Amino acid sequence: QVQLKESGPGLVQASETLSLTCTVSGFSLTSYHVSWVRQPPGKGLEWMGRIRSGGSTDYNSALKSRLSISRDTSKSQVLLKMNSLQTEDTAIYYCTRSDWRNWYFDFWGPGTMVTVSS
Amino acid sequence: DVQMTQSLSYLAASPGESVSISCKASKSISNYLAWYQQKPGEAYKLLIYSGSTLQSGTPSRFSGSGSGTDFTLTIRSLEPEDFGLYYCQQYYEKPLTFGSGTKLEIK
Repeated sequence: QVQLKESGPGLVQASETLSLTCTVSGFSLTSYHVSWVRQPPGKGLEWMGRIRSGGSTDYNSALKSRLSISRDTSKSQVLLKMNSLQTEDTAIYYCTRSDWRNWYFDFWGPGTMVTVSS
Repeated sequence: DVQMTQSLSYLAASPGESVSISCKASKSISNYLAWYQQKPGEAYKLLIYSGSTLQSGTPSRFSGSGSGTDFTLTIRSLEPEDFGLYYCQQYYEKPLTFGSGTKLEIK
């Protein structure tokens, strides 16, 4: 069955770089888009960006200068890197799946909490 | 960016009642709207897409309506497992954006 699971450090120091991994199963990264969505504590959801099935990327302009999304299809993994972290980047980070035509998210990972410490 | 507004952040209802949750877009998004449910300890679940199409597995007591800028999620005859957080999302254009959420609690 389709599964996505995020993994990462949990705690990151301010000004450092966050690296998260989304490991997927039950589908191919070359057939579906994978997005990263985050949710600060008590706040709403923010779409960060995605890697398309063909390998190209789209980013939220609010984060574009700090964000990079890539993938390793041999490992079924999507990688997020975001630099210059601030305390406002403290959030639950989710990876999600959508298809090439319809950009809603039919599957979500459970999320991983990232705390940025000053 | 398309702003999505869920005017009600909190809604209390009793099992068996019907409720409606609204979502308004800052510009026309046709029917490129999805609804999600979140319950504590569980992954987000897609309920409805294209404004009114039920995702496989979504109970028929859920329905979605609207197009353009105004959308509604209706739950008929609430069940105990329906309580949680509900979010709308537009996928008409990038950046993809979400409403702020409506928390549905047991009265």
